[in-house]
Amino acid sequence: GAVVSQHPSWVICKSGTSVKIECRSLDFQATTMFWYRQFPKQSLMLMATSNEGSKATYEQGVEKDKFLINHASLTLSTLTVTSAHPEDSSFYICSARTSGLQGYGYTFGSGTRLTVV
Amino acid sequence: QKEVEQDPGPLSVPEGAIVSLNCTYSNSAFQYFMWYRQYSRKGPELLMYTYSSGNKEDGRFTAQVDKSSKYISLFIRDSQPSDSATYLCAMSVRNTDKLIFGTGTRLQVFP
Repeated sequence: GAVVSQHPSWVICKSGTSVKIECRSLDFQATTMFWYRQFPKQSLMLMATSNEGSKATYEQGVEKDKFLINHASLTLSTLTVTSAHPEDSSFYICSARTSGLQGYGYTFGSGTRLTVV
Repeated sequence: QKEVEQDPGPLSVPEGAIVSLNCTYSNSAFQYFMWYRQYSRKGPELLMYTYSSGNKEDGRFTAQVDKSSKYISLFIRDSQPSDSATYLCAMSVRNTDKLIFGTGTRLQVFP
């Protein structure tokens, strides 16, 4: 089935530094990738939608200058958390729609746990 | 009011029990209804999706949608300890690729 590979699975960084998270679609082309954030015991909240070759669309309240999204190819999308602060500590997950491959649905990466100290 | 409401649990049941998980929603524009299973520190895994009102069965899982009541359910028969996870309902917004998730219900099946 469709697989989205997400790296790293966890990262600890110092406050003020930047962190890059990668998501790759391994056996299909993901024209659209979705980035979510999940705080403990809370639901997944959509941060932004990235389309290959164009600018990402951010949800209300998400700072586009802080969460940089690049979707330069049909198989790779990246999220960079710039100047990270402890309040950015969260679980970040990407997903791609796989309609046609698995019926209707979205395949998720395994997530990245970011801890900012 | 949240667009999707889901009891966070936790729900603790003995092995072999029938589990009922539910979500209610308020947006009539929701089109597809999905259930995902999420193990700790992992991404969600699609279990089932439905489009219309009624039941859909897949092995031990049955998804039920009642659009008139804006209520969806997931039933797990003969529950196993390996079913212990958080179950998230999700709904797609018509004419968009957006998914709106419930908060997830944490299920614990004990031997």
